[in-house]
Amino acid sequence: NAGVMQNPRHLVRRRGQEARLRCSPMKGHSHVYWYRQLPEEGLKFMVYLQKENIIDESGMPKERFSAEFPKEGPSILRIQQVVRGDSAAYFCASSPGSGTQYFGPGTRLLVL
Amino acid sequence: TQLLEQSPQFLSIQEGENLTVYCNSSSVFSSLQWYRQEPGEGPVLLVTVVTGGEVKKLKRLTFQFGDARKDSSLHITAAQPGDTGLYLCAGRGRLGTSGSRLTFGEGTQLTVNP
Repeated sequence: NAGVMQNPRHLVRRRGQEARLRCSPMKGHSHVYWYRQLPEEGLKFMVYLQKENIIDESGMPKERFSAEFPKEGPSILRIQQVVRGDSAAYFCASSPGSGTQYFGPGTRLLVL
Repeated sequence: TQLLEQSPQFLSIQEGENLTVYCNSSSVFSSLQWYRQEPGEGPVLLVTVVTGGEVKKLKRLTFQFGDARKDSSLHITAAQPGDTGLYLCAGRGRLGTSGSRLTFGEGTQLTVNP
């Protein structure tokens, strides 16, 4: 039973480019969460999605960041016009309902 | 303002010693989860505690949820080098937030020396 999958594991972008991070939840899980871990800081909640719906995006920056979880396919976290401050590890978690969250291995984004 | 305070932030001990990590908050949570994170990897769930006063044991690890569901502790008996890692507590269902988001502490970096 595969766990939460994220790709790419590492992503390098230059300032102003776009970053697209993908998350495939565990089989049978319909709830997806994105968290960000900045260097030397703890994990911070960004957004909570169910299939085709954003439930809570209160932790996501208002500009340049967007997230989706389509009916088919993985959840996508998209960062437009990246800046150096976006460099961080981005983690996706999934749960079957509103229960325990299981985390993926993360995507390490480096903005040059 | 850190909503979940973990202490200590760093802990370096010898193999065989016991240790306790604390996770404190002024907020009430519906449940609390403990994770362990290795460098370059995502957090791996250790336990979820739900009921105030609940105690759960996982081999040499003992987890306790405070009666008021505001704090928790993790006790490791006879620590081994394989216990080395970043231990994170995360509260779910804090009053005033959407019920499912996790609020994380900043973690306790544990190093167990052989």
